[in-house]
Amino acid sequence: DVKVTQSSRYLVKRTGEKVFLECVQDMDHENMFWYRQDPGLGLRLIYFSYDVKMKEKGDIPEGYSVSREKKERFSLILESASTNQTSMYLCASSPTGQGNQPQHFGDGTRLSIL
Amino acid sequence: AQSVSQHNHHVILSEAASLELGCNYSYGGTVNLFWYVQYPGQHLQLLLKYFSGDPLVKGIKGFEAEFIKSKFSFNLRKPSVQWSDTAEYFCAVNPYNFNKFYFGSGTKLNVKP
Repeated sequence: DVKVTQSSRYLVKRTGEKVFLECVQDMDHENMFWYRQDPGLGLRLIYFSYDVKMKEKGDIPEGYSVSREKKERFSLILESASTNQTSMYLCASSPTGQGNQPQHFGDGTRLSIL
Repeated sequence: AQSVSQHNHHVILSEAASLELGCNYSYGGTVNLFWYVQYPGQHLQLLLKYFSGDPLVKGIKGFEAEFIKSKFSFNLRKPSVQWSDTAEYFCAVNPYNFNKFYFGSGTKLNVKP
């Protein structure tokens, strides 16, 4: 079974801090994704990566960056955390191809910025 | 931009009632369609998926969904809900040959015992 592991379930940081959220998948998937989940807004794509060192902006990339140095690991970086980045962050992975494979999700990281 | 609409934000049902959750999308080309469920405190899990063929697809736990291409819809149904179906349900659309997925805003289902 596919396992997507996010490094923290809960995280509290201060405004202005640089924050790293880590995600690891164990199924050799080419595609990895970062979403934020907010009540009433569903999942919004921040960034995704379809290969090592490759990345594409999603719908809400402002204030975020990503890193994918190894196939199994995809990191989300908040360069200078702000209170409006308080949210649930979800990582997902999927194999490449015709896109007809579902995404597999991690448990999420609930991030609070004080 | 692509969009996915789930018009029911919060649904409350009694056990044994029938369920139908709406999902409409805006993409005009070929799509892959998914319903995910998120139980309280758990990660999103796949309920069912449609790629091609029979537009009526069956998923886990007695759920099914019907793809109606002319209406750009992929509604989720269950004939008789249980208390354990209390969760948030998300519709997702993946344009064919494209790696991005577009999610609806979710529907919270509360089933009263």
